[in-house]
Amino acid sequence: SQQGEEDPQALSIQEGENATMNCSYKTSINNLQWYRQNSGRGLVHLILIRSNEREKHSGRLRVTLDTSKKSSSLLITASRAADTASYFCATVSGGSYIPTFGRGTSLIVHP
Amino acid sequence: DAGITQSPRHKVTETGTPVTLRCHQTENHRYMYWYRQDPGHGLRLIHYSYGVKDTDKGEVSDGYSVSRSKTEDFLLTLESATSSQTSVYFCAISPNREGPDTQYFGPGTRLTVL
Repeated sequence: SQQGEEDPQALSIQEGENATMNCSYKTSINNLQWYRQNSGRGLVHLILIRSNEREKHSGRLRVTLDTSKKSSSLLITASRAADTASYFCATVSGGSYIPTFGRGTSLIVHP
Repeated sequence: DAGITQSPRHKVTETGTPVTLRCHQTENHRYMYWYRQDPGHGLRLIHYSYGVKDTDKGEVSDGYSVSRSKTEDFLLTLESATSSQTSVYFCAISPNREGPDTQYFGPGTRLTVL
């Protein structure tokens, strides 16, 4: 069953623009993660943010978490054509340690 | 792909035949997982393992079995393949140094059941 739901389902932007994707979830979480999947490849772990954290950065990636709204956002700054991929949020809740994945946002960055 | 290999990478089989997919890792990671990925459903957990001979069911385990007789290998078996099992199958591991809730994925196996 899906815990996280990404929004939008698809996003198309020009190189150099910022890309923002959102993830909403239903129940309390221990942590939330973002993954990237290039076409025909496995998922790649990008960043993990814990429930007591509000913001995290990794290179051009910025993740925020608002537990009161049960939502997270992933911001990719100064996007590149190589950022074209699907992006998934995944949540870990309760006593489980296994992430539950959303359906993903498909990002296309035009050169 | 985090030192994970999957074999075969592509397979076409017929309904009713048994199929075994192999996931191999070389770094003695304790936790291993099998997922399937389908359009409109995202990634769904089939089975997972938390050690040799220690496995448990995931969200969509019906029609699948697993075995882990060695740390490095996690096998997924479809005893009698059905067309609904046409999918892309991903194996994942959780690196021992990072704990079980972070996952690294293999390259996937595309399975077509005719």
